Amino acid sequence: DTAVSQTPKYLVTQMGNDKSIKCEQNLGHDTMYWYKQDSKKFLKIMFSYNNKELIINETVPNRFSPKSPDKAHLNLHINSLELGDSAVYFCASSQQTGEYNEQFFGPGTRLTVL
Amino acid sequence: AQSVSQHNHHVILSEAASLELGCNYSYGGTVNLFWYVQYPGQHLQLLLKYFSGDPLVKGIKGFEAEFIKSKFSFNLRKPSVQWSDTAEYFCAVNVWGNNRLAFGKGNQVVVIP
Repeated sequence: DTAVSQTPKYLVTQMGNDKSIKCEQNLGHDTMYWYKQDSKKFLKIMFSYNNKELIINETVPNRFSPKSPDKAHLNLHINSLELGDSAVYFCASSQQTGEYNEQFFGPGTRLTVL
Repeated sequence: AQSVSQHNHHVILSEAASLELGCNYSYGGTVNLFWYVQYPGQHLQLLLKYFSGDPLVKGIKGFEAEFIKSKFSFNLRKPSVQWSDTAEYFCAVNVWGNNRLAFGKGNQVVVIP
């Protein structure tokens, strides 16, 4: 069984388009995240939701809008795609248990903007 | 500034050689520490983690890491690498009570058969 899944795995699109990436976790976790891995493999957090509430919103262009319809899903919508948005986007989830926070990652979505 | 540092970004070694990757962090307070591995074209997998207790932790595939609080370090080791250990290795730090997981820039390890 896949713990954290993302669709699509690959996404190739033109500049200016709007696209969405979906993430689902079946671990029963209450917190979900989006990370961006750039061309140099650097990973940086973008957003985090806890029980459908936004709790982390890093310095990300407002063209990026996360949406969490329920605890098990966190989608990422990107408007007006730019060349610099090309990256691998990873979804993750964790169960907030006091001080301990182990995050489980999805397989990633490789976004290429032409 | 708070950060996670990994040095020697590119590491090339032969099979059976020993591997040690350094990780230093500059966060105050109590931390959770992780090493993740990313094989070519694949997603992040957890190698090992430290939350509390014994500072020497053992992970999967023969990896281990040692937390040295006084040095703010969490170095990863493997006594004898295999070709299949070729991958990118990331150190990550999470401050207790904070959801953010901060990553180092990674070490690209290439093991030559």
